[in-house]
Amino acid sequence: GNSVTQMEGPVTLSEEAFLTINCTYTATGYPSLFWYVQYPGEGLQLLLKATKADDKGSNKGFEATYRKETTSFHLEKGSVQVSDSAVYFCALIEGGSYIPTFGRGTSLIVHP
Amino acid sequence: DSGVTQTPKHLITATGQRVTLRCSPRSGDLSVYWYQQSLDQGLQFLIQYYNGEERAKGNILERFSAQQFPDLHSELNLSSLELGDSALYFCASSVKGTGDPQYFGPGTRLLVL
Repeated sequence: GNSVTQMEGPVTLSEEAFLTINCTYTATGYPSLFWYVQYPGEGLQLLLKATKADDKGSNKGFEATYRKETTSFHLEKGSVQVSDSAVYFCALIEGGSYIPTFGRGTSLIVHP
Repeated sequence: DSGVTQTPKHLITATGQRVTLRCSPRSGDLSVYWYQQSLDQGLQFLIQYYNGEERAKGNILERFSAQQFPDLHSELNLSSLELGDSALYFCASSVKGTGDPQYFGPGTRLLVL
């Protein structure tokens, strides 16, 4: 079956530091890949997506590139802010499949 | 605001009881998903409906059931509740339900005592 593996958290950074959250996946076909963010007390929000190999998704300063050769979709941001503190989920849906697969989430804590 | 609404926001009940959670999808979305989020299991996909029909099943217990009505709102029924059912239950919606992004509601927090 499909699976998504994310780095264990929490990730703790100082404001303006560079962020990388690793995500690797296994899938039998050609999935669409997503990053969602969950702020405390809220539901998940779509952050960015990529639908085919070498696509780069970007939003709010976050970026992730769909790497088919390494089956990865790592999330990056050049300069984090305290307001970026949240839990980040990597997810996939395989084309033609209806079952979404989420990673376990990575907590990010940004200190002033 | 994602446009997905869920009621109630909080629910406290006792073991053995039955509860119903309600979800209204974004306007124009035909697909509804249900998820359970707990500290030990993470985010678990339960079930998906598309335009009134069940489309996919995940890790949904037999004590749980769901349906999507003609007006596209959905209900998740949880019966014979156990302490371990205490969790956050999220509903999400999407236009097609086949690889398109999902929009999540704020969740219902269920506490079983």
